[in-house]
Amino acid sequence: DTAVSQTPKYLVTQMGNDKSIKCEQNLGHDTMYWYKQDSKKFLKIMFSYNNKELIINETVPNRFSPKSPDKAHLNLHINSLELGDSAVYFCASSQVAERDNSPLHFGNGTRLTVT
Amino acid sequence: LAKTTQPISMDSYEGQEVNITCSHNNIATNDYITWYQQFPSQGPRFIIQGYKTKVTNEVASLFIPADRKSSTLSLPRVSLSDTAVYYCLVGDSRNFGNEKLTFGTGTRLTIIP
Repeated sequence: DTAVSQTPKYLVTQMGNDKSIKCEQNLGHDTMYWYKQDSKKFLKIMFSYNNKELIINETVPNRFSPKSPDKAHLNLHINSLELGDSAVYFCASSQVAERDNSPLHFGNGTRLTVT
Repeated sequence: LAKTTQPISMDSYEGQEVNITCSHNNIATNDYITWYQQFPSQGPRFIIQGYKTKVTNEVASLFIPADRKSSTLSLPRVSLSDTAVYYCLVGDSRNFGNEKLTFGTGTRLTIIP
């Protein structure tokens, strides 16, 4: 029944490693997003993606890359992990329509800890 | 950027009505105002959305003045389960990826029994 699901829920890894977080949505939405929530609870958008266009927040390091095998999935790959990457990462989706402003539907997050 | 400003925290007793105000002086014509609720270890959850005047649903009301430079989320008769962080988001999801889709710091609401 989960609308937006992320795996894993927790991820502990060492500096320098490469890791991925998976996200799937079963809402039939056409747009997916990745957000980062730091220790101060500030939720910052990292990427937005639909089947035509990827928009990257210019402040996101290029070590982060989203990969979308299909419309229902948007995975996040992180290379050469750094201590500052420790945060909770949220996946979200919405249906971008011409007239309505579609709310975001979030997953329950992946807590990444880099040691 | 339609930067938003909210009180960092609020306390209220059970059964009272709680009003949380968000300031967004630079709101654009196409921007909507959306409020989300976040519990610990969960993602934000949509509460209510509006463009102007008043919107009401089964859980909350949203009041937006004519100039749209602020908005007020109203939670009637709060209970302990309403303790959460509430975020005001101003933007237009049609401009997906727009920096406006970055959330502010939110308001931590604590309900006191």
